[in-house]
Amino acid sequence: GDSVTQMEGPVTLSEEAFLTINCTYTATGYPSLFWYVQYPGEGLQLLLKATKADDKGSNKGFEATYRKETTSFHLEKGSVQVSDSAVYFCALSERDAGNMLTFGGGTRLMVKP
Amino acid sequence: DAGITQSPRHKVTETGTPVTLRCHQTENHRYMYWYRQDPGHGLRLIHYSYGVKDTDKGEVSDGYSVSRSKTEDFLLTLESATSSQTSVYFCAGASVSYEQYFGPGTRLTVT
Repeated sequence: GDSVTQMEGPVTLSEEAFLTINCTYTATGYPSLFWYVQYPGEGLQLLLKATKADDKGSNKGFEATYRKETTSFHLEKGSVQVSDSAVYFCALSERDAGNMLTFGGGTRLMVKP
Repeated sequence: DAGITQSPRHKVTETGTPVTLRCHQTENHRYMYWYRQDPGHGLRLIHYSYGVKDTDKGEVSDGYSVSRSKTEDFLLTLESATSSQTSVYFCAGASVSYEQYFGPGTRLTVT
C-alpha cells in the first residue's frame, strides 16, 4: 500500500536558518503530494501541494518540488521565523482513492530567537 | 478552516461508555473524514463519507461507527470506549479533489 516517510524530529533551528524537512513516498499510482502544517492546539492546514512530476508548490516562503525519479517531496524554506514553529506533515493522495490522504508521521519544528 | 467545527472540544469518559463526536461543516463539502492523531503515528483515517448516507471504513475503523444523515453533519461513535481510543480526533472535509480542510480537533480521554 501507499506510505509516506518523514524525517523524525524535533528539528531545532535558530531564526533565519535554512530549513529542509525530508519526505519520501511509495505509491502504486501517480499521487498528488501535500504539505500540511499544524500549529499548537489547532487542526491541520494545507501549506502547499503539487499534482504532477516537477511541479513546485509554494506558500508563505515554503517550497517543495515533486520529484518522481526519487519519490521525494522535501520541504524547504530559506529563512525560518519563530512563528514557523509547528508540526509539519507530508501526505499523498491517489487519484482513484476517494480523495483519501496518507500521512507521514509528522516533523516538529522548533525555531529559537 | 472556520467552516468546520467539532464538538465537544474536550471530553473525559469512562471505559465501556458510548461516546459520540460531532463534526459540522458549512462549506457544502461532499467528502468528510474522521482521523485520529497519536504520537508516532501521524494521522490515521478511521472512516470517511462520500455523500449523505454513503460511508466506508478507513485504516483503523475497529470500534468506531459513523453516520451522515445530512451533508453538514458527520458523527463518529465509539460504541464502548476503551483506553486505546484515547486520542485527538480530527474531522476534515473536501470538495475539490485532494484538498482537505480540517476542524480544530477533539481531545478524548478514556479513563
